[in-house]
Amino acid sequence: QVQLKESGPGLVKPSQTLSLTCTVSGGSISSGDYYWTWIRQPPGKGLEWIGYIYYSGSTYYNPSLKSRLTISVDTSKNQFSLKLSSVTAADTAVYYCARYTRNTIFWAFDPWGQGTLVTVSS
Amino acid sequence: DIQMTQSPSSLSASVGDRVTITCRASQSISNYLNWYQQKPGKAPKVLIYGASSLQSGVPSRFTGSGSGTDFTLTISSLQPEDFATYYCQQSYSAPRTFGQGTKVEIK
Repeated sequence: QVQLKESGPGLVKPSQTLSLTCTVSGGSISSGDYYWTWIRQPPGKGLEWIGYIYYSGSTYYNPSLKSRLTISVDTSKNQFSLKLSSVTAADTAVYYCARYTRNTIFWAFDPWGQGTLVTVSS
Repeated sequence: DIQMTQSPSSLSASVGDRVTITCRASQSISNYLNWYQQKPGKAPKVLIYGASSLQSGVPSRFTGSGSGTDFTLTISSLQPEDFATYYCQQSYSAPRTFGQGTKVEIK
């Protein structure tokens, strides 16, 4: 079955750009009716949808992050990526990648990667 | 944005108890509502989609109900492996939003 795994630096300095990659295995990122998603969770807090991308490159971003956010896809590597600029301590979180999957007419995040903690600190 | 509000924020229960968690949307979302379970240090996993459809492999003691703005997740007989945090999430419109979570703890 499809598996996702996040990778990238665990520590980013304030004002710099956070960059993460999600590698998809067990299936093609170009197949099916899926949106490839980033979600984050600050320590001890709830979940926030960041945005997602279709394999064609169409993107949908959370308006609260849109001005700092870029999500891209590399179908040749079966990967998609997140870049979040001008980070502050408020961007410290576990970042998850997930597949937004349709089941009949309903959509849900399934499966998820294991998550990676990114700390913003000097 | 559609706001999702869960209640309670936490609860204590014993093995075998029936547990009910409520999720309310700030506007009607029909039945575009999912429930997730998250255990400490792990990613969430989907339990219920479309308000009441059980995800494959999820035990039948989990049931979801509701439509419009009010939804419930019920665990009919709480098992030791069910102690976790539960989140609702609306898939009606962007931005996709989650409830703040309900932590189910051992009494």
